[in-house]
Amino acid sequence: AQSVTQPDIHITVSEGASLELRCNYSYGATPYLFWYVQSPGQGLQLLLKYFSGDTLVQGIKGFEAEFKRSQSSFNLRKPSVHWSDAAEYFCAVGARSAGDMRFGAGTRLTVKP
Amino acid sequence: GAVVSQHPSWVICKSGTSVKIECRSLDFQATTMFWYRQFPKQSLMLMATSNEGSKATYEQGVEKDKFLINHASLTLSTLTVTSAHPEDSSFYICSARKTSAPSYNEQFFGPGTRLTVL
Repeated sequence: AQSVTQPDIHITVSEGASLELRCNYSYGATPYLFWYVQSPGQGLQLLLKYFSGDTLVQGIKGFEAEFKRSQSSFNLRKPSVHWSDAAEYFCAVGARSAGDMRFGAGTRLTVKP
Repeated sequence: GAVVSQHPSWVICKSGTSVKIECRSLDFQATTMFWYRQFPKQSLMLMATSNEGSKATYEQGVEKDKFLINHASLTLSTLTVTSAHPEDSSFYICSARKTSAPSYNEQFFGPGTRLTVL
């Protein structure tokens, strides 16, 4: 069964600083990987996804993520964080054949002015 | 696009009553829809997989008699919380998988429904 680990529950960065959110997955085959962002009381917004091909994936709002098979990781990065990026970030893994998706516990991002 | 809506966006009900939440795929057909539950400051937990024209598949620990799921058409799935109690208060999120995307698994999420049981 697939699973996702987000080691950091809460991260605080200064506005303008770079950001990296960690995600490790466990899955027997090549997974489909996703990053979502959720503002308080809101639904999920897809930031980016990886299915195959180039392991460096570009997403919306200036985010990118890199799939590293050897490390079973799919870390999310942004070179310069904006105050509006403060939110909860979820990494998720899906299977090719099955329909369900498993989410990590989430990382809450706080942005200091 | 791939837009999924949920109705209502929030609902308050009395303990013992039933509440129905609708999930609609607005611009695509979805053979499969999923229902998730999210407690405050926690992650999404899959409750059940809803399949059009057949019975839903529930995750372990989810009471199928309490959380009734109906997927009557390719664009609509409903979740009914029966005899709701305060511990059922939560944020319920649905997602839909495109029928026309067999080569990969991508789900499109609704905005969520906040249920508060008094």
